[in-house]
Amino acid sequence: DQQVKQNSPSLSVQEGRISILNCDYTNSMFDYFLWYKKYPAEGPTFLISISSIKDKNEDGRFTVFLNKSAKHLSLHIVPSQPGDSAVYFCAASRMYSGGGADGLTFGKGTHLIIQP
Amino acid sequence: DAGVTQSPTHLIKTRGQQVTLRCSPISGHKSVSWYQQVLGQGPQFIFQYYEKEERGRGNFPDRFSARQFPNYSSELNVNALLLGDSALYLCASSLRPSGANVLTFGAGSRLTVL
Repeated sequence: DQQVKQNSPSLSVQEGRISILNCDYTNSMFDYFLWYKKYPAEGPTFLISISSIKDKNEDGRFTVFLNKSAKHLSLHIVPSQPGDSAVYFCAASRMYSGGGADGLTFGKGTHLIIQP
Repeated sequence: DAGVTQSPTHLIKTRGQQVTLRCSPISGHKSVSWYQQVLGQGPQFIFQYYEKEERGRGNFPDRFSARQFPNYSSELNVNALLLGDSALYLCASSLRPSGANVLTFGAGSRLTVL
């Protein structure tokens, strides 16, 4: 039973346009959400996070939106650049779960391809 | 500054064998977590250690075990290997085991079980 779902295995976007990656979760206990980016032969790299007390968080070209009632979050990348081509993972956790003992729960990832 | 380092980077084992994977966290990080990433899936939580104590365990059989040393490095052991254990094993470190702490991942150890 997947608690974090990324329903688009891949997404192709033209360079300069906006990339929107989506993520849904089912566990209402999750209150902290993260996006990681992964290149081949490298470990996942942290991009941006958001806690459930916010509905938006920005960091440069990256913005994460959280809709708690819909249990949905999205990552917007504007403008998209060739170096953004990678697999993007959505992850969720419980902030106060006795010391993070549950670990992060990841989605399956979305492969973003930025076309020139 | 060195990031999270893992060894070996690749290894091949046969069914029934045992494997030990090693991880050195970022200097100053006292918490180490292990994740398994099977092809086409996201990383799945195996263990979290903090100050040499197990703080969390995912849904993995007892064939999987780990420990953390006084220098905060860690080992993951898998006994009686099965074909399904073939995966990328990722180690991550953080300052503390809080659910809001960002994890920094290593590049992983690619295990192939034949």
